[in-house]
Amino acid sequence: RKEVEQDPGPFNVPEGATVAFNCTYSNSASQSFFWYRQDCRKEPKLLMSVYSSGNEDGRFTAQLNRASQYISLLIRDSKLSDSATYLCVVTLPYNNNDMRFGAGTRLTVKP
Amino acid sequence: EAQVTQNPRYLITVTGKKLTVTCSQNMNHEYMSWYRQDPGLGLRQIYYSMNVEVTDKGDVPEGYKVSRKEKRNFPLILESPSPNQTSLYFCASARGPLQETQYFGPGTRLLVL
Repeated sequence: RKEVEQDPGPFNVPEGATVAFNCTYSNSASQSFFWYRQDCRKEPKLLMSVYSSGNEDGRFTAQLNRASQYISLLIRDSKLSDSATYLCVVTLPYNNNDMRFGAGTRLTVKP
Repeated sequence: EAQVTQNPRYLITVTGKKLTVTCSQNMNHEYMSWYRQDPGLGLRQIYYSMNVEVTDKGDVPEGYKVSRKEKRNFPLILESPSPNQTSLYFCASARGPLQETQYFGPGTRLLVL
């Protein structure tokens, strides 16, 4: 079983739609969680951290469910510019420098 | 402008020919790391460095070497490249161990024939 698993998609949604991605992780003691965004052939960029209490940044909401070992990303009112691959990232408990990336979920927002 | 630079951006080489991919950051970050990205596998950490002269293995270190003689530079060395090292490589840096904001370089596409 992979340490971090994501549905690869692709998710094809119309502008204005709400879309949600889930990510599961295998190590129950994982400490930190993030969502990164990666545009085609570009470097990943931090989208947002995921906190235990859940957090929101504009149209983006991230949530953590430790009991079920998954994190989620909700995008409301999708824009064309949201088209990208979204990477789920988890740090291992014994070494906060050891980050494990999911393979990514590809989102395409269409007019 | 705060940035991480990598060179070269694209490289085609042959099996066994030693190569170095350079990485440099201008943010005075202590932490730097190298990743490779392959389809369906996501990014996997090769090596990381907590500070000058402090390096450690990541998830997939075999076939790679690194050095950290200066804070700003963290080169990746392939002593004897093989075709299975064909990949997209990213260098990244962060202020410290808690990598909330990890800045990535633009990537280096390597093809080993």
